[in-house]
Amino acid sequence: SQQGEEDPQALSIQEGENATMNCSYKTSINNLQWYRQNSGRGLVHLILIRSNEREKHSGRLRVTLDTSKKSSSLLITASRAADTASYFCATDAGQGAQKLVFGQGTRLTINP
Amino acid sequence: EAQVTQNPRYLITVTGKKLTVTCSQNMNHEYMSWYRQDPGLGLRQIYYSMNVEVTDKGDVPEGYKVSRKEKRNFPLILESPSPNQTSLYFCASNNRGGGEQFFGPGTRLTVL
Repeated sequence: SQQGEEDPQALSIQEGENATMNCSYKTSINNLQWYRQNSGRGLVHLILIRSNEREKHSGRLRVTLDTSKKSSSLLITASRAADTASYFCATDAGQGAQKLVFGQGTRLTINP
Repeated sequence: EAQVTQNPRYLITVTGKKLTVTCSQNMNHEYMSWYRQDPGLGLRQIYYSMNVEVTDKGDVPEGYKVSRKEKRNFPLILESPSPNQTSLYFCASNNRGGGEQFFGPGTRLTVL
């Protein structure tokens, strides 16, 4: 079953602007992770936020988690052309310790 | 360099011809997983392994087999491939259940 769902499915902005992507999920989680995928390549881990955390930063990335709404957001500030990629959220529901469920992703395009 | 490797990277085969996609990691990770990625469906887990000789089904295990005889290797076996198994396959490993996953570069499989 699909746990995380990203919104929007596609986002196109100008270089230098901020990009915000959202993820909603259905069941309680241990943690939520965000990954980046450049076209056709392997996913790269960006950030992990635990269920007892509300906000986390890493460089130009800011992730929030609202467990009451079962949602998370990923903010990329001061976007660059190199940020063009697909972004996925993944939830760990803790079922058997290895059930990481991915959403369908947001395709982000940064226009120069 | 810490990495997950997959071979082959590209494969075109015919229905019913058994094939194996190899996966190897050099990070001494206990956990390994296989995913398939299809347009509009995101990544779906096929099988995972929590340790040597310990494997379990993911969300879409039908038509696939795996084995974990050594900690570093986790091959994916398609005994009788069918066209609906045409997809992009990723192997991943991680150090603890539900934590950050390290992905291989992917194997693009086409079954005619």
